[in-house]
Amino acid sequence: EAAVTQSPRSKVAVTGGKVTLSCHQTNNHDYMYWYRQDTGHGLRLIHYSYVADSTEKGDIPDGYKASRPSQENFSLILELASLSQTAVYFCASSDWGAYAEQFFGPGTRLTVL
Amino acid sequence: TQTVSQSDAHVTVFEGDSVELRCNYSYGGSIYLSWYIQHHGHGLQFLLKYYSGNPVVQGVNGFEAEFSKSDSSFHLRKASVHWSDSAVYFCAVSAGTGGYKVVFGSGTRLLVSP
Repeated sequence: EAAVTQSPRSKVAVTGGKVTLSCHQTNNHDYMYWYRQDTGHGLRLIHYSYVADSTEKGDIPDGYKASRPSQENFSLILELASLSQTAVYFCASSDWGAYAEQFFGPGTRLTVL
Repeated sequence: TQTVSQSDAHVTVFEGDSVELRCNYSYGGSIYLSWYIQHHGHGLQFLLKYYSGNPVVQGVNGFEAEFSKSDSSFHLRKASVHWSDSAVYFCAVSAGTGGYKVVFGSGTRLLVSP
């Protein structure tokens, strides 16, 4: 069955530290996305990718980098974590961009202290 | 630019009641609309979608949604809710011209009381 997994599932980081969130999909999908969800709010797009070795900026890319080394893997990197980046982060994949349903991972709860 | 609005942050009903969760969008061109459900502590799961054709679309677990171009709406309905339907529901919209971007609403938390 198609699946999107994320690791870690939760993390506590210190301000100024580096954080890497990982996402792996077995859907054979071209598109992958990183979103953040703040309490009581919807999802906001951080970065996305439609092919390996290429990433694109979403709506709120500042403070985040992304890496897509293979079709299956997509990472989100916070070089200098800040308090404002405390949130739940979701990875998703889809077959053909905006037309297709997105398959979401379980999320990573990040707390920056 | 497409936008989506879910006017009700919280909806509470009793088990067996019918429910309608409201979604309004703004976009001038052809549009792709969908609904997702998020149970507590989990990622979003796809419920149903509309792009063209019959404006009433059926989804999983008895959910359906109706597209109205005149009202710019895509409301989600269920005739008889179960306690397990308690979750947050997100409406999502993307431009029908393709591309990558899906815009999600802020969500409606549905609480079904036994």
